[in-house]
Amino acid sequence: DTEVTQTPKHLVMGMTNKKSLKCEQHMGHRAMYWYKQKAKKPPELMFVYSYEKLSINESVPSRFSPECPNSSLLNLHLHALQPEDSALYLCASSQESMNYGYTFGSGTRLTVV
Amino acid sequence: GDSVTQMEGPVTLSEEAFLTINCTYTATGYPSLFWYVQYPGEGLQLLLKATKADDKGSNKGFEATYRKETTSFHLEKGSVQVSDSAVYFCALRSSARQLTFGSGTQLTVLP
Repeated sequence: DTEVTQTPKHLVMGMTNKKSLKCEQHMGHRAMYWYKQKAKKPPELMFVYSYEKLSINESVPSRFSPECPNSSLLNLHLHALQPEDSALYLCASSQESMNYGYTFGSGTRLTVV
Repeated sequence: GDSVTQMEGPVTLSEEAFLTINCTYTATGYPSLFWYVQYPGEGLQLLLKATKADDKGSNKGFEATYRKETTSFHLEKGSVQVSDSAVYFCALRSSARQLTFGSGTQLTVLP
């Protein structure tokens, strides 16, 4: 298995809703990432998990709450989002060595109404 | 800190034309270099990589050579197809271990 699987593919939520994005990989990668991507822009790093522990939080607002239940799963809990949070949310995983790139999922297209 | 500079897009070419997308970088030490491709509505796919100076990465007819002396990793393809239309991102990964992306280059290939 050489894939990162993200669900759902599309999500529309109101500003008062609570929802979660899910990410799963079975490549044995011990680093996992959440990115936010706006149209025609490079992905922006949000969170990094290393060996199931949060190692980097790029000053992301608290309405985004990551969780790593085990080495294969990564969740992003969403609450009280704003319309400007609408974007493509990408999950990625990687080996620790810098000689390897990241493997990205196909993303969740989030629209906040 | 680390940074990647890509040529400004968008780039529009006719089918079978030669493609070059320029990429230069700034990093401490000796980073690994990558090209990613993003097709419309999809995530990023690793296209090719090089991990040391003078290495050439290649895949699907695309090539890029790690040039330490010019700190460059330009992407080339001899004959583009309509199906190559996508956004291309140059990236590096250094001892800091996080991936640093360039701004991306939109490529459109016309039949």
